[in-house]
Amino acid sequence: EPEVTQTPSHQVTQMGQEVILRCVPISNHLYFYWYRQILGQKVEFLVSFYNNEISEKSEIFDDQFSVERPDGSNFTLKIRSTKLEDSAMYFCASSARQDPDTQYFGPGTRLTVL
Amino acid sequence: GNSVTQMEGPVTLSEEAFLTINCTYTATGYPSLFWYVQYPGEGLQLLLKATKADDKGSNKGFEATYRKETTSFHLEKGSVQVSDSAVYFCALGQTGANNLFFGTGTRLTVIP
Repeated sequence: EPEVTQTPSHQVTQMGQEVILRCVPISNHLYFYWYRQILGQKVEFLVSFYNNEISEKSEIFDDQFSVERPDGSNFTLKIRSTKLEDSAMYFCASSARQDPDTQYFGPGTRLTVL
Repeated sequence: GNSVTQMEGPVTLSEEAFLTINCTYTATGYPSLFWYVQYPGEGLQLLLKATKADDKGSNKGFEATYRKETTSFHLEKGSVQVSDSAVYFCALGQTGANNLFFGTGTRLTVIP
């Protein structure tokens, strides 16, 4: 069964450093998403991406964040200058054109900012 | 606005017990409703969904019925197994919108 994959599984970085989290969505999916889950809190929406542009973003997704689909398979989330409060589990998700409301999630990347 | 309120955990049950995890929602329009499960060390997996009122989603012995009159989507299973131990998330999505709204998650532990 096709699945969303994410790398790395765990990323440790120093405050102020840039990080790039990588995702490979399900191959025929057209809608891509990033969510995050701070430890002990809700899963929160960050951004959605369709047709090579951001279609929606939350208040969390400020100028420090960016997304890119650099080729036909990868979808990345970049945090330009990490803060301590960026420490969280980051989930990538994708959905198909036929059923855009049903999102399939990857296993997540745990980001720890020191 | 949109929000999901989910039963607080943790929930501990003996094997073969009946499970109910409550979920209620607030939404405009006619949302789709989902249950996701997160097994230890893994990501979120779609467990079941319902897209309109009175629909029943089911999978792996779990069921949930979309109740518009009570704005609820409670998760049930008649006989839980140790392998069902996980965190369960109720979520809401609006047609035409891009983001899911999640509940806080309910941790279920099933003991032999």
